[in-house]
Order: sequence, then C-alpha cells, then structure tokens
Amino acid sequence: AQSVTQPDIHITVSEGASLELRCNYSYGATPYLFWYVQSPGQGLQLLLKYFSGDTLVQGIKGFEAEFKRSQSSFNLRKPSVHWSDAAEYFCAVGARGNKLVFGAGTILRVKS
Amino acid sequence: NAGVTQTPKFQVLKTGQSMTLQCAQDMNHEYMSWYRQDPGMGLRLIHYSVGAGITDQGEVPNGYNVSRSTTEDFPLRLLSAAPSQTSVYFCASSYSVAVGYTFGSGTRLTVV
Repeated sequence: AQSVTQPDIHITVSEGASLELRCNYSYGATPYLFWYVQSPGQGLQLLLKYFSGDTLVQGIKGFEAEFKRSQSSFNLRKPSVHWSDAAEYFCAVGARGNKLVFGAGTILRVKS
Repeated sequence: NAGVTQTPKFQVLKTGQSMTLQCAQDMNHEYMSWYRQDPGMGLRLIHYSVGAGITDQGEVPNGYNVSRSTTEDFPLRLLSAAPSQTSVYFCASSYSVAVGYTFGSGTRLTVV
C-alpha cells in the first residue's frame, strides 16, 4: 500500500536561514508527489508537484523539491525562510484510484 | 470561481446526533474525497468518489456515509456522532490525481 513518512514533527529555523523538510514515500510505480501547505485555521494550498521529467521542481513562494527515486524521497527546500512561511507542511503521494495519501505533516516554526 | 465550498465551517453536536457536512465544487471535477485531520496524524481519507454514482471507502470509513448523485455535490453523513469524530473535515476535488486536489476550507466539528 502507498504510504508517506515525514520524519520531523516540528522544525524551527531562524528567519533568513535555509530550510529542508523531509519526505519519504512507498509506492510501487512512478509516483505522483505533492507538497501542500496549511496556514493555521486554513485549508491546504498546493506548493508544487512532480509526476515526470526534471527531478527538481519549482513551486510557489520560492519553494522547490527534489525527487530522488533511489532514496524514495521528495524533500522540500527553500533557500531563505520568511516569517510568513510558518505553517504546517504535508507531503502526499498519488495512489491508485486517483486518491491522495498524506504524511503526518511537519510544523514549521520561524524565529526572528 | 468558487472552487470547493464546504458548509458549515463550525459545528457542535451531541453524542448520538446525526448531521450532514456539505461539499460542492464548480470545476466539473470527477474525483472527490473527504478527509479528516487530527493532530499528528495528517489527513486520513474517509471516502472518495470517482464520478457520479460511484463511491468507495478510504482508510477510516466507519461511522460515515457518502453518496454522489451529481458531479458537483459530495455530502458526508455522520449517522450517530461520537466524540472520536471530533476533527476537522476537508473535502477535495480533482480531475486527475496527476495535478493534485483542490481543497475546501474545512469544517471544524466538535462532538460532546
């Protein structure tokens, strides 16, 4: 069965520092992979997605993610974090039946 | 363009009461899903639909019913609410998992 693991429940970074959020997936075929962001009290917004082609994908708000098949990973990165990036981030994999399977999420805190 | 609309935004129920969470989308998407979000557990799929008249169970379907009589609407019914169903519920829709899902703003449900 498809699954997603986000090993870090919480991450704290200083404003201006770089960020990497980890995501590992389990899926038999070439996966569809996504990162979503959720600000407090809000719904989920799609940051970026991967389904084929270049393994480094660019998203909104300055985020990027790299698909590494050998490591079954799809880590999210940002070179310089802003205070407004504080939110919860979810990695997801597209599963059979056009479903999305989510990881447990990583809460990002940004300190000034 | 309204996207995915969920009503109500907040609801308090007593144990044993029933209610329906409404979800409507105006994007002519075939695929619709209901998720519940609980702290530390990410989003878990309750039920999903691949088109009008077709629904299937997700990861946590017990205590919930769905139907899909039209492409636009996908209501979620709680037959006899239990405190364990206290959660935030999200509806989502898509025309293909390859492009990801669009999420509603959520319904925060408390069962007392």
